[in-house]
Order: sequence, then structure tokens, then C-alpha cells
Amino acid sequence: DTGVSQDPRHKITKRGQNVTFRCDPISEHNRLYWYRQTLGQGPEFLTYFQNEAQLEKSRLLSDRFSAERPKGSFSTLEIQRTEQGDSAMYLCASSPQGGGGYGYTFGSGTRLTVV
Amino acid sequence: DQQVKQNSPSLSVQEGRISILNCDYTNSMFDYFLWYKKYPAEGPTFLISISSIKDKNEDGRFTVFLNKSAKHLSLHIVPSQPGDSAVYFCAVYTNAGGTSYGKLTFGQGTILTVHP
Repeated sequence: DTGVSQDPRHKITKRGQNVTFRCDPISEHNRLYWYRQTLGQGPEFLTYFQNEAQLEKSRLLSDRFSAERPKGSFSTLEIQRTEQGDSAMYLCASSPQGGGGYGYTFGSGTRLTVV
Repeated sequence: DQQVKQNSPSLSVQEGRISILNCDYTNSMFDYFLWYKKYPAEGPTFLISISSIKDKNEDGRFTVFLNKSAKHLSLHIVPSQPGDSAVYFCAVYTNAGGTSYGKLTFGQGTILTVHP
């Protein structure tokens, strides 16, 4: 297993365009998380999946954001009508059941730049 | 409100000496406290954690101390090595009430530079 994979690594898009990111978690992990990190800040929680069910969404996740995890495997995060404020590193992480104390395994992230 | 704070944006240490990274939190109900290390262009990597029922956990050169009365967490790295140079994030984990899952809340990070 190669860990958590995220694609693409970098994305530059024009304001107003839609973008979609993909995350492939560690195969035996049933929990998947999306975080966002801006310069000088720590990662901020966006949303959480247990298998295919999206169980929590942060208020940071506006109506322009949608996340899915069909069949409880990979996940996608879509941002519609991108804004310059969406520029950030988008991180995906996965963990096994009860993984709180052992930490999550993060991917390398997708860096989004909205111009 | 910021539940987890790392008040030192950066720390510079000589190789072989001790690095001490600090973190303060506001909520006494957190279950676990964790440290992550992040290199440029990579995601955060889990380093070490401590349960809220303990006050110390050690793993090789890394020791985490938890002072619950002061709501303070620290990471000691001894001896520090140039390869330890990275951004260090403290994080807290708590189970969402009545559920079996939780989420991590991170501090802002401290940039550690270890000079040869």
C-alpha cells in the first residue's frame, strides 16, 4: 500500500471555473477526511466520511463545495464557481476505526491556485 | 474561537541540543493530543500522541508532555538533528458526542530549524 494518494498535486484555475480533486485512501481505512490549509495556518477540517456516508460537514464547506465517496472507496471534492479565497492546499486523510489516538494518514495534498 | 494555539511561529536550535515546542488548548474535554510534522510539498506526518489520562509519552528522541491543569502540551526532541527541520503542528482529537468518530483540530504550526 502506498498510503493516501491525491490527484492532481497542483491545480491552477481561473475564477469562476469548477474544479474536482480526487483522494484514494489506504484501502483498509473506512474513515476519510478532507482538510484545507492556508498559508501560516494549520489544517482546518472540512468534512468526514465513514464508508460512503458523509457524517459531518464544517461550516467552512459552503454550498459551492461538495464531496462524495461512492462505494466507500475513493473520494472526490468539487468546488464550483471558484473564488480567489479558495486558493489553499486541500488535504485528504484516512484512518481506521478508532484511529483518533493514532493519528490520521494524510496525503500530499492538492494545491489549488485561483487566478 | 481558536481551541489550539501555538504561540511561537518559529524556533531555531543547534544540532544536538533540545528542541521544545509548545502548544496551549482551551477545552479540557479533548481525548487525545497529537503532534504532526510537515515537510514542504508533503502532507502532515503523524509523530506522537498522548492520551488525556497520561502526562508523558516517549518514542525514541521524541517525548510529549501533557499538563492538564495548565492546558499545555509540549514536544521535546533530544538530540535535535538537521533532518528534524520542518513545521510542527499540535492537534487535539475528541470524539463527537454520542458517536464513534471524531476530528482533529490543529494549531497554527511552529517552524523548527535545526542548524548543523
